[in-house]
Amino acid sequence: QQQVKQSPQSLIVQKGGISIINCAYENTAFDYFPWYQQFPGKGPALLIAIRPDVSEKKEGRFTISFNKSAKQFSLHIMDSQPGDSATYFCAAKRANYGQNFVFGPGTRLSVLP
Amino acid sequence: EAGVAQSPRYKIIEKRQSVAFWCNPISGHATLYWYQQILGQGPKLLIQFQNNGVVDDSQLPKDRFSAERLKGVDSTLKIQPAKLEDSAVYLCASSSLKGLAGVPRTQYFGPGTRLLVL
Repeated sequence: QQQVKQSPQSLIVQKGGISIINCAYENTAFDYFPWYQQFPGKGPALLIAIRPDVSEKKEGRFTISFNKSAKQFSLHIMDSQPGDSATYFCAAKRANYGQNFVFGPGTRLSVLP
Repeated sequence: EAGVAQSPRYKIIEKRQSVAFWCNPISGHATLYWYQQILGQGPKLLIQFQNNGVVDDSQLPKDRFSAERLKGVDSTLKIQPAKLEDSAVYLCASSSLKGLAGVPRTQYFGPGTRLLVL
């Protein structure tokens, strides 16, 4: 119940295309869902986050779509650029459980020029 | 603003040896985290400090792992003795106590220490 599943494991997209990464969870106590971006040799960095009372959040080219009934959420990267090539992790945090995040296994995105 | 600093960046040891990692968080950040990231997996929280007190160490293998943050700033994570399965990147992160009520604090990660146990 503490797991967050993520797919696909890897993704190749042409420059200008849309990248879509999906996550699913079981624990209904999760109340905060961030996405992290990690470049090789660097630590993860917060990209965008959403709470379950909102179905969509957009920041620039990055959008989170959230489906509470299906317990799924996804990251959409519009107009994907080669600089977006990185590993993306979805995560979830339990309500009233401090800052303990459960991370998905990650998606390696490659954007071809 | 300087980021989270970690050292060493790489470490190779043999099994049953000891190893220690050091972390210096962003200045003023009261909360410090240590994560283990095994190749192909997401980070897993090992321990969380607030100032020099432990908030959560439920996933820390206490028979071989220890961590301290004596003065509420720098922190060290130690493994003694190391096992092959400890090969991973050890990430340190920090966050401020300040922010909007009800919004989880952003965690800022360091570059990590890559450990290889032979």
